[in-house]
Amino acid sequence: GAVVSQHPSWVICKSGTSVKIECRSLDFQATTMFWYRQFPKQSLMLMATSNEGSKATYEQGVEKDKFLINHASLTLSTLTVTSAHPEDSSFYICSATTEGTTGELFFGEGSRLTVL
Amino acid sequence: AQSVTQLGSHVSVSEGALVLLRCNYSSSVPPYLFWYVQYPNQGLQLLLKYTSAATLVKGINGFEAEFKKSETSFHLTKPSAHMSDAAEYFCAVTSAAGNKLTFGGGTRVLVKP
Repeated sequence: GAVVSQHPSWVICKSGTSVKIECRSLDFQATTMFWYRQFPKQSLMLMATSNEGSKATYEQGVEKDKFLINHASLTLSTLTVTSAHPEDSSFYICSATTEGTTGELFFGEGSRLTVL
Repeated sequence: AQSVTQLGSHVSVSEGALVLLRCNYSSSVPPYLFWYVQYPNQGLQLLLKYTSAATLVKGINGFEAEFKKSETSFHLTKPSAHMSDAAEYFCAVTSAAGNKLTFGGGTRVLVKP
């Protein structure tokens, strides 16, 4: 149980285009989803926290208009990187939690974005 | 505010040897502590967690960790390393169920034959 799936796993796009990454909880309802960014050989940096049906809470320094997060249902959250540039290239990981899991997060497989 | 420090960004062990990964945390409230493992180009998999129950926590793949409040530590150990243990390991802390995790910098484990 508690499976989180991300799609796509790999995406390459041209500079200036927008890319959408999906995060789905397959067998549970995710009351809260988190989006992380991970640079090569570094730790995870929390970008934003999203709760179903409400606006995402962004961490300091994360551009809200650049990284659009939507959590329209209890099983789906999306991250859209708008007008992507090469510096947005990174590994993006989502995680989800639900009530009663004592703080444990369930992570997606990650999505590697390369902006040319 | 919470923080996590993992001592040693890289650890090299021989197959069959003890694996010890160090994690120290800072938290103003009783913490929940986690160890995650990450294989290349993959997400994170939970190894074990401490949630204020037993201080010695056993996880998957033969790993265990001990919560020591006096030392604010949560070190991860495995008695005998296997080649498949080569990965990146992250220690994380949160203050309450469902809150966002704060991750340590990670420790990359290399297992030598």
